[in-house]
Amino acid sequence: GAVVSQHPSWVICKSGTSVKIECRSLDFQATTMFWYRQFPKQSLMLMATSNEGSKATYEQGVEKDKFLINHASLTLSTLTVTSAHPEDSSFYICSASGRSYNEQFFGPGTRLTVL
Amino acid sequence: QKEVEQDPGPLSVPEGAIVSLNCTYSNSAFQYFMWYRQYSRKGPELLMYTYSSGNKEDGRFTAQVDKSSKYISLFIRDSQPSDSATYLCAMSGGRGRQLTFGSGTQLTVLP
Repeated sequence: GAVVSQHPSWVICKSGTSVKIECRSLDFQATTMFWYRQFPKQSLMLMATSNEGSKATYEQGVEKDKFLINHASLTLSTLTVTSAHPEDSSFYICSASGRSYNEQFFGPGTRLTVL
Repeated sequence: QKEVEQDPGPLSVPEGAIVSLNCTYSNSAFQYFMWYRQYSRKGPELLMYTYSSGNKEDGRFTAQVDKSSKYISLFIRDSQPSDSATYLCAMSGGRGRQLTFGSGTQLTVLP
């Protein structure tokens, strides 16, 4: 299967700061990338869908000004959590799909803790 | 009613048992069906992918899709303690489109 990486795997920040999470497809071109958040013992919640070179499409209830998504190339998408607050603490996971695949491949996730 | 229903468990079986995991869904537009395995604090790992109805086997894993009943299954033969994880079913209506997930079934295989 295809490989997706995320960086960092774990980040702690102070309330009010911004945090950037990177998602990379390592061995394929990701035409579409998805961003999810997951709370303990819950399933994944889709936050937004981004296509390379286009603005992201956000799910209902997700603040686009707070969760900035950029998908500038076919191998990289970034999620920036702006002015983070403790309630933004969560597990953030990206996934990617490409022209050669029908499936989505997930990254290992980023654990964000906001103090 | 959720679009995808999955029994959250927890499910506990002895090592070597056959495990059956299931999901039902209501959206007849779903065509692509996937099973993911997720270990604690890790991203989901794709186990099986099936297009439309039918069976697919890969090692100890067998995925079945019955579109007429809107029912999908994952069977794990000769289960191992390393299979202990949360199993998520997921489906989509088209290539590259967003996935709709089940709530996940937590499986524990006891040695």
